[in-house]
Amino acid sequence: AQTVTQSQPEMSVQEAETVTLSCTYDTSENNYYLFWYKQPPSRQMILVIRQEAYKQQNATENRFSVNFQKAAKSFSLKISDSQLGDTAMYFCAFSTGGFKTIFGAGTRLFVKA
Amino acid sequence: DTGVSQDPRHKITKRGQNVTFRCDPISEHNRLYWYRQTLGQGPEFLTYFQNEAQLEKSRLLSDRFSAERPKGSFSTLEIQRTEQGDSAMYLCASSHTRTVDSGNTIYFGEGSWLTVV
Repeated sequence: AQTVTQSQPEMSVQEAETVTLSCTYDTSENNYYLFWYKQPPSRQMILVIRQEAYKQQNATENRFSVNFQKAAKSFSLKISDSQLGDTAMYFCAFSTGGFKTIFGAGTRLFVKA
Repeated sequence: DTGVSQDPRHKITKRGQNVTFRCDPISEHNRLYWYRQTLGQGPEFLTYFQNEAQLEKSRLLSDRFSAERPKGSFSTLEIQRTEQGDSAMYLCASSHTRTVDSGNTIYFGEGSWLTVV
């Protein structure tokens, strides 16, 4: 069975500092996609960043970057220069091409002023 | 693109009543997904459609739940004889398979909150 584990239920970071959210997953597939989604309080879930497993280069999107370790089945999210608007639930997710996306339980991130 | 839209956004119903949620995906997205999310948890997969065909159903989807996607456009999720345990947010998402680059990225609607009293 494919699973996604986020071991940090809650984290906090000071504004302008850097924080890393952890995610591990389990699969026997070789080709798949990994995602980080953000869900602000009472707001819509939006995609933060995506990584294709066949790409060795880590994905980056502005202040967001990932550390993808395929052999270790690890996919962490680094947020640089944290902003108050980054306060949200962050979900790590996994998908094999064309089928359902599986989500972790989430990490609640608080950015403190 | 206007995004994925869901209706109603909030629904309060009495136990035993039937409820129906509607989802309009991003136009030309051929895949549509339903998820359920309870407070403080990640979304749990319920079912998904490719065009009008329902290709997978989770074991979470009891026989009281039914989903349809006539003509491969909008979708409805009906819950019959609601129970208090059905209280959750029901999320709809869509994706396309037009290009390899789509990477099966799914785009969510704002969700429909259900409270069963």
